[in-house]
Amino acid sequence: DQQVKQNSPSLSVQEGRISILNCDYTNSMFDYFLWYKKYPAEGPTFLISISSIKDKNEDGRFTVFLNKSAKHLSLHIVPSQPGDSAVYFCAASAGFGNEKLTFGTGTRLTIIP
Amino acid sequence: DAGVTQSPTHLIKTRGQQVTLRCSPKSGHDTVSWYQQALGQGPQFIFQYYEEEERQRGNFPDRFSGHQFPNYSSELNVNALLLGDSALYLCASSLVQGFGYGYTFGSGTRLTVV
Repeated sequence: DQQVKQNSPSLSVQEGRISILNCDYTNSMFDYFLWYKKYPAEGPTFLISISSIKDKNEDGRFTVFLNKSAKHLSLHIVPSQPGDSAVYFCAASAGFGNEKLTFGTGTRLTIIP
Repeated sequence: DAGVTQSPTHLIKTRGQQVTLRCSPKSGHDTVSWYQQALGQGPQFIFQYYEEEERQRGNFPDRFSGHQFPNYSSELNVNALLLGDSALYLCASSLVQGFGYGYTFGSGTRLTVV
């Protein structure tokens, strides 16, 4: 049972435009959500997170939105840069301090120069 | 500042054999978690170690076992290897008081079972 779903395996965006990556979850116990970025031959690196008490969190070019009622979150990257080309994973956890993360299957983002 | 170090980087084993993967956490981190990433999938949680004890475990059979040493380094052991165990094994370290953003992942060990 896939509790965290990323339904778009790939996404191509023109440099300078907005990239929007989506993630859905089914487990109502999840209350902390994270995005990780992964380059080939490297481990995932943390990008941005959001707690369920918020609906938005920003960090520079990256913004994560959370819609709890729809069990949906999205990552916006503005403006998109060639270095943003990577696989992006959405992850979720239940309860602060519970460090078991449940990951989605990832979305490969390609930024076209 | 050294991050998480995993060894070996690649490994080929035969069905039925046993394998040990090693992880040195980031300096200052006290908790080690192991994840399995099959091709085309997201990482799946295997277990987490803190103070040399298994703190949490995912949905993996007992063939998967681990250990944490006093210096916080960790080993993942897999017995009676199956073809389906072929995957990238990721080690992540963190502080027990930290959370997901505190995870630092290693580059992984690519295990191929033939």
